[in-house]
Amino acid sequence: DSGVTQTPKHLITATGQRVTLRCSPRSGDLSVYWYQQSLDQGLQFLIQYYNGEERAKGNILERFSAQQFPDLHSELNLSSLELGDSALYFCASSASLVGELFFGEGSRLTVL
Amino acid sequence: AQSVTQLGSHVSVSEGALVLLRCNYSSSVPPYLFWYVQYPNQGLQLLLKYTTGATLVKGINGFEAEFKKSETSFHLTKPSAHMSDAAEYFCAVSDPVNAGGTSYGKLTFGQGTILTVHP
Repeated sequence: DSGVTQTPKHLITATGQRVTLRCSPRSGDLSVYWYQQSLDQGLQFLIQYYNGEERAKGNILERFSAQQFPDLHSELNLSSLELGDSALYFCASSASLVGELFFGEGSRLTVL
Repeated sequence: AQSVTQLGSHVSVSEGALVLLRCNYSSSVPPYLFWYVQYPNQGLQLLLKYTTGATLVKGINGFEAEFKKSETSFHLTKPSAHMSDAAEYFCAVSDPVNAGGTSYGKLTFGQGTILTVHP
């Protein structure tokens, strides 16, 4: 158990819909990262928050947004969903200076 | 920008044989390097990491990796494969640490190598 909690574990929805994925980092970790894992793209970095502020942005679509709340949990919002958004979305957290990330078990999104 | 190349998307070995998973990186600064393992339907778990110091790094489950700066490599090895080692393995490089001392070090991952272990 990494200490990072993600909900929901599985989500099935239709094209055009909006979903929210939630992540609770390990106790005391200030950094939260979101990654998307798909068969064709591999593990792609989406976005990073540190203590409530956005710190780095990767290949995140404009239809996607995220935030980190004062209690440090984070949410990833995916809107106007397309078939290609079907993937496993991972949240990770870290506290150390060496960038070691601890991953949750992921949220598997299926868009039909 | 950092990048990672894993040579071989699939590696197959017999139980008891040597495991060698190859990773080459590109980085403009001294890198921090990681190997993660992902079992089916699970998240990624850290196997080992290299930051500074000794270039031969030992990790969990009998794995080790050697940082070779001249070859820009960080290959993962295990002397004797076990059936339970079957999984997908990811090499990753970390972004440079922020000069202010707070790490914003996101990881850039390779494409992964699926390890199959035959009886």
